[in-house]
Amino acid sequence: NAGVTQTPKFRVLKTGQSMTLLCAQDMNHEYMYWYRQDPGMGLRLIHYSVGEGTTAKGEVPDGYNVSRLKKQNFLLGLESAAPSQTSVYFCASSYRAYEQYFGPGTRLTVT
Amino acid sequence: QKEVEQDPGPLSVPEGAIVSLNCTYSNSAFQYFMWYRQYSRKGPELLMYTYSSGNKEDGRFTAQVDKSSKYISLFIRDSQPSDSATYLCAMEGDNFNKFYFGSGTKLNVKP
Repeated sequence: NAGVTQTPKFRVLKTGQSMTLLCAQDMNHEYMYWYRQDPGMGLRLIHYSVGEGTTAKGEVPDGYNVSRLKKQNFLLGLESAAPSQTSVYFCASSYRAYEQYFGPGTRLTVT
Repeated sequence: QKEVEQDPGPLSVPEGAIVSLNCTYSNSAFQYFMWYRQYSRKGPELLMYTYSSGNKEDGRFTAQVDKSSKYISLFIRDSQPSDSATYLCAMEGDNFNKFYFGSGTKLNVKP
């Protein structure tokens, strides 16, 4: 039982490049979330999903897109990366919304 | 004004001390209150959650919610070096699936 996994663990992008972060969970959870964590800012919700085929905006959605084509996967896309998107990205999943399980994170640097 | 305020610390205590970690919030609609522990370069892990006001105890950890003061606390008894981590409070927003995290308090327990 791997829990929540994230791919890749590290990535360096140049401004304007695109990439997709993959989150996978094997706990059959309905809810999935993408957060970013910046020093002094805590975790901020980017987008979330309440089930397969659904997505919704969180607190800081601009510059990101998401898709949930399969229940176990939640993808976060950056179409045109900017230095302000340098951050650590965490994916989480949950059966009950207030009991979230987090992945190990992806460290993204945009130069 | 941030939805959730948390003193970033760092807080340094000797082994065996009682630790008190706190958060304040501004939205009286919050109902679920969570505490997460995050070790360096790892994802957050849920310690405990509380619904509405009151206390909840789990081993050496006690969570306390005072909705009248918009103030929550986490107490750690008999603190251990293994408790050294960043502690994040989190609260469910007025949208059921949105959560707001504090910026985290870094705790160092010295042997």
